[in-house]
Amino acid sequence: DAKTTQPPSMDCAEGRAANLPCNHSTISGNEYVYWYRQIHSQGPQYIIHGLKNNETNEMASLIITEDRKSSTLILPHATLRDTAVYYCIVRALQGTSYDKVIFGPGTSLSVIP
Amino acid sequence: DTEVTQTPKHLVMGMTNKKSLKCEQHMGHRAMYWYKQKAKKPPELMFVYSYEKLSINESVPSRFSPECPNSSLLNLHLHALQPEDSALYLCASSQDWGNSAGELFFGEGSRLTVL
Repeated sequence: DAKTTQPPSMDCAEGRAANLPCNHSTISGNEYVYWYRQIHSQGPQYIIHGLKNNETNEMASLIITEDRKSSTLILPHATLRDTAVYYCIVRALQGTSYDKVIFGPGTSLSVIP
Repeated sequence: DTEVTQTPKHLVMGMTNKKSLKCEQHMGHRAMYWYKQKAKKPPELMFVYSYEKLSINESVPSRFSPECPNSSLLNLHLHALQPEDSALYLCASSQDWGNSAGELFFGEGSRLTVL
């Protein structure tokens, strides 16, 4: 049973911001939002995660709505190398029966020159 | 060293063969994972090891046999596989499991073809 929903695909012009949405309306209070991406033929790569506050690192920004039912990953200046499948995942902080990192279908982002 | 190393990168085997996939990390991580990924599909969780003990088996057929000889190594023993088992097998590790928000570090995967 999917915990997140994402659009299957998106395009973004090179140099523009890429905004990738994720819906996680059934998120629990102890669940984090994680984002990974997978460039073709490579293993998934961690991007960022957050609980309820917005987060920023050298790769991206994560904006989580106040009710925590949705979030947006922002790549501020997309490059061709950002073309990948982006996965939004919810993951419990604690509890041995909870900690399964389960990937949904993700969003295939194409950055166009 | 933030790498998870998987060998071999490519493996072709017959249905009667016995082979193994190997995964190694030297980050001091205590949790290790096997995922299976078919073409154009997301990775599917197979096994989780925590502190060298099997913590999760996602109802994986017994022809896949995981082994964690020590905290740095994770093997996946393969026997009597079917052609539909052909996939990319991904290994990952994380600092802890079940009690931490640590991210997973993935290897590049082993691409398995079963003839």
